[in-house]
Amino acid sequence: KAGVTQTPRYLIKTRGQQVTLSCSPISGHRSVSWYQQTPGQGLQFLFEYFSETQRNKGNFPGRFSGRQFSNSRSEMNVSTLELGDSALYLCASSLYGLYNEQFFGPGTRLTVL
Amino acid sequence: DQQVKQNSPSLSVQEGRISILNCDYTNSMFDYFLWYKKYPAEGPTFLISISSIKDKNEDGRFTVFLNKSAKHLSLHIVPSQPGDSAVYFCAASVYTSGSRLTFGEGTQLTVNP
Repeated sequence: KAGVTQTPRYLIKTRGQQVTLSCSPISGHRSVSWYQQTPGQGLQFLFEYFSETQRNKGNFPGRFSGRQFSNSRSEMNVSTLELGDSALYLCASSLYGLYNEQFFGPGTRLTVL
Repeated sequence: DQQVKQNSPSLSVQEGRISILNCDYTNSMFDYFLWYKKYPAEGPTFLISISSIKDKNEDGRFTVFLNKSAKHLSLHIVPSQPGDSAVYFCAASVYTSGSRLTFGEGTQLTVNP
């Protein structure tokens, strides 16, 4: 079965702009989580959506937001981009979410200039 | 506050020998632990997990040990193979937290032929 897909794979933006990243989970998976990976901070949890509801949220400012659609596809939006937002953004899907094995997509590499 | 720490950023091992990757955590609420490995330009892939009710879990060449009193877990790979060269992340979660995983910073394992 198809894995987790993320689009776009690479993105270059300038400070102050906003960006929307997309994630399509594995078919049948209802939980989608988003993570930010940077060299200095490692992998940090952004938020999790389950059946279109945000169920869990990490310690990121309100500029980071997300949503999930009825088909479980999820989008993450970052507004007013800052240089420090440059990172690899990973999404992961799992069947139920509860300390379940998660399957990660390849990530979207965002560069903010 | 880094709740999950991998103190060794890198580890180099000879093919056929044992690789031991270590991980420490501070949050005593964590009750489920996972190891992921990550190749460049790919998302992390699940390797092995362990629940806090166990102290050992084995899957082929991979064994995870959990020492709850020391808040320490380790991943043993025996025998190590060149294809095991990757970044290994340990992650921890609390059962009620949905898919929220807290990751360590990762350890780059290099297995030399």
